[in-house]
Amino acid sequence: AQRVTQPEKLLSVFKGAPVELKCNYSYSGSPELFWYVQYSRQRLQLLLRHISRESIKGFTADLNKGETSFHLKKPFAQEEDSAMYYCALSGPKGAQKLVFGQGTRLTINP
Amino acid sequence: SQTIHQWPATLVQPVGSPLSLECTVEGTSNPNLYWYRQAAGRGLQLLFYSVGIGQISSEVPQNLSASRPQDRQFILSSKKLLLSDSGFYLCAWNPGRSFPTPLYEQYFGPGTRLTVT
Repeated sequence: AQRVTQPEKLLSVFKGAPVELKCNYSYSGSPELFWYVQYSRQRLQLLLRHISRESIKGFTADLNKGETSFHLKKPFAQEEDSAMYYCALSGPKGAQKLVFGQGTRLTINP
Repeated sequence: SQTIHQWPATLVQPVGSPLSLECTVEGTSNPNLYWYRQAAGRGLQLLFYSVGIGQISSEVPQNLSASRPQDRQFILSSKKLLLSDSGFYLCAWNPGRSFPTPLYEQYFGPGTRLTVT
């Protein structure tokens, strides 16, 4: 069965420091992976998807099939990056379901 | 452009009372629709999903039910609320496209905070 593991519930870094949010997954096939973000008092929104190979708000994520990981990285954290981050994996075929990790709350200290 | 609405934003209900949460999507047709519960430290738990009018699939056994009376309307209900039903409920939609390749992105509503007292 598909599963997503985000090992850190809480992560705190200083402004300007690099940040890495970890995500590991289990999936027998070709997965699609996503990062979602929820800022304070805002709705959950899509941050980026691995198939787009894009950088959004300075964040990137590379799919490593050998390590079954999809870590989210940013070289220089900013205070506005403080939020809840969820890693998500494409679920079983049909209905385009997503399997979400437990989330990591990122706090950027000034 | 597409938008998704949920109401009410907050709700306080006594144990044993009925529940009805509504979700509507605008600007698209034949979407897949989803109900999640978001709990601190537990991530997002998929409760129900629907690929069309009247088609409901349940992911976990519970005290809740869902219905899709119209293409862009998704309702979460309960006949008698339990204390354990308290939580933050999210509705999401997906374009429902599966050809040539499935689109998996989901787009979320603002959520409903339910407190059962």
